[in-house]
Amino acid sequence: KQEVTQIPAALSVPEGENLVLNCSFTDSAIYNLQWFRQDPGKGLTSLLLIQSSQREQTSGRLNASLDKSSGRSTLYIAASQPGDSATYLCAASGNTPLVFGKGTRLSVIA
Amino acid sequence: GAGVSQSPSNKVTEKGKDVELRCDPISGHTALYWYRQSLGQGLEFLIYFQGNSAPDKSGLPSDRFSAERTGGSVSTLTIQRTQQEDSAVYLCASSRQGRDEKLFFGSGTQLSVL
Repeated sequence: KQEVTQIPAALSVPEGENLVLNCSFTDSAIYNLQWFRQDPGKGLTSLLLIQSSQREQTSGRLNASLDKSSGRSTLYIAASQPGDSATYLCAASGNTPLVFGKGTRLSVIA
Repeated sequence: GAGVSQSPSNKVTEKGKDVELRCDPISGHTALYWYRQSLGQGLEFLIYFQGNSAPDKSGLPSDRFSAERTGGSVSTLTIQRTQQEDSAVYLCASSRQGRDEKLFFGSGTQLSVL
């Protein structure tokens, strides 16, 4: 059974800092790994999707990497801004529908 | 439509009552998912519809929960004889085809069972 873990559970950084969010999964037989953002009281917004054959994906200040062999993915946020404050969730898709981690709650302090 | 639409956005009900939650996916998306998110918990998979295939119901927590998808579009999640532990945000998502595609989520229905 796939299990997804995110560390840390919460993170607070000053504006402008680069940061890394971590995601680990137990079953490497995945189709893809997705990163989402969730703002309070809202649904999830898809940020990046990395197919199992890919190593990384980039969108603006965001870069996500995938290492299937070690069961890890990272989300790198460059030059963080207060508007980046949200909960970030990763999810692994395989033979079962997307399995989510519990998220990392990020606060970027101006 | 422009995005996944869910209604109602909030629902307060009394223990023992039945509730229906609605999801209208993005037009043309063949895959539809229901998840729930309890306070402080991660997203819990409930059910998955893909085209005309039999739905994957493996995440439904009890036989009080059921869902249907009519005409390959709108879906309704029904909870019978609601219990307080059913209180959560129920999220619907859709994707173009299947499990290897990006998911688009609705804003959810906040269900409170008193």
